[in-house]
Amino acid sequence: SAVISQKPSRDICQRGTSLTIQCQVDSQVTMMFWYRQQPGQSLTLIATANQGSEATYESGFVIDKFPISRPNLTFSTLTVSNMSPEDSSIYLCSVEGRGPADTQYFGPGTRLTVL
Amino acid sequence: AQKITQTQPGMFVQEKEAVTLDCTYDTSDQSYGLFWYKQPSSGEMIFLIYQGSYDEQNATEGRYSLNFQKARKSANLVISASQLGDSAMYFCAMREGAGANSKLTFGKGITLSVRP
Repeated sequence: SAVISQKPSRDICQRGTSLTIQCQVDSQVTMMFWYRQQPGQSLTLIATANQGSEATYESGFVIDKFPISRPNLTFSTLTVSNMSPEDSSIYLCSVEGRGPADTQYFGPGTRLTVL
Repeated sequence: AQKITQTQPGMFVQEKEAVTLDCTYDTSDQSYGLFWYKQPSSGEMIFLIYQGSYDEQNATEGRYSLNFQKARKSANLVISASQLGDSAMYFCAMREGAGANSKLTFGKGITLSVRP
């Protein structure tokens, strides 16, 4: 499976500010995925990021709130903009690896708390 | 209707015993894949095991096995010889179809606690 790193691992932010989360993969991948996991909840897909094209957002998520960059095949960023306490979550990036049926492998996550 | 249903409350198991975590799913696709992930308190999501809809045999990976009952649309995870390090959240997930439009849908998860 790919080795995926995320920065920062955790952060505490003030409402109204923005935070950019980085996701780095040790091999080239076509698609990268960003998920949100609110406290005590399951994972929800925010968007799929392909290199060289606009990210595809899921229902309920918009580019103004969660802008995504995908400058190359090993890196992506997710920005959480104009944060509110409701944005407190774990944010995870994932990629399809060499496992069966394009298994998704996840980064270690970014634990965000908004005060 | 929910695509993945995990209804068990927190589960407890004695160390070295086996435990079954339930998962039922809902799909009209013929081709789909079922996945189990483990999430320890650190937050990372660890892939455990995969079962394809066309696989005739139950998947196994070390101490993990998947009890796949297609007609009942269930894909229960069996953990044998539980260890203290197995204490975590466990998520069942499904991927329908294939290609760029194929997305991974997660259940709500089950908390497993292993008692010494």
